[in-house]
Amino acid sequence: QVQLVQSGAEVKKPGSSVKVSCRASGGTFNNDIISWVRQAPGQGLEWMGGIVPVLGIANYAQKFQGRVTMTADKSTSTGYMELSSLRSEDSAVYYCATGHGIYFDYWGQGTLVTVSS
Amino acid sequence: QSALTQPASVSGSPGQSITISCTGTSSDVGSNKFVSWFQQHPGKVPKLMIYDVSNRPSGVSNRFSGSKSGNTASLTISGLQPEDEADYYCSSYSSGRGVFGTGTKVTVL
Repeated sequence: QVQLVQSGAEVKKPGSSVKVSCRASGGTFNNDIISWVRQAPGQGLEWMGGIVPVLGIANYAQKFQGRVTMTADKSTSTGYMELSSLRSEDSAVYYCATGHGIYFDYWGQGTLVTVSS
Repeated sequence: QSALTQPASVSGSPGQSITISCTGTSSDVGSNKFVSWFQQHPGKVPKLMIYDVSNRPSGVSNRFSGSKSGNTASLTISGLQPEDEADYYCSSYSSGRGVFGTGTKVTVL
């Protein structure tokens, strides 16, 4: 059974960056896609992008191109999502997810990011 | 990619069947079999209910079924139960990118 454990809540100033981690256990981390999804308060799910750790190749949603960087450390089975130039609209719960193929069978517990001056 | 279109809300009485639609384009929903559905209860993590248009992961009730016609996918919940009250999201994946639907709130009357 795959388990994803994310880093804790963050409070950031507008214009700064945040880096959220996602540590995987119990699965084949290197061969799975680690995806990132966010959910603003009271809003729907939004796909941000994903990375295949074994290839180190990431695909991002056009909306976040230039502002998001997804990386993975194979030695610790940990994925990272860094979002820069934060604005208030980026306040949301950020989830990592993985599963078979491109599907999200397993989710992290979510990381609340609050952007406030 | 624009969000896939879902009805904002659908309701039904216990025991009834309801269907949630998810409309995309020929570039996403209509392009392949990579359509999935998620259930999310308030304050909880989303749960995968359907993948590959109509397949159920192990442990998901057979009251949940999925289908697709052209650019529109559908999730049907039969024998509606109180615990089915939740938000539901469709998702599509094509050309290395994913997109979610706008979400549907299911209310059990």
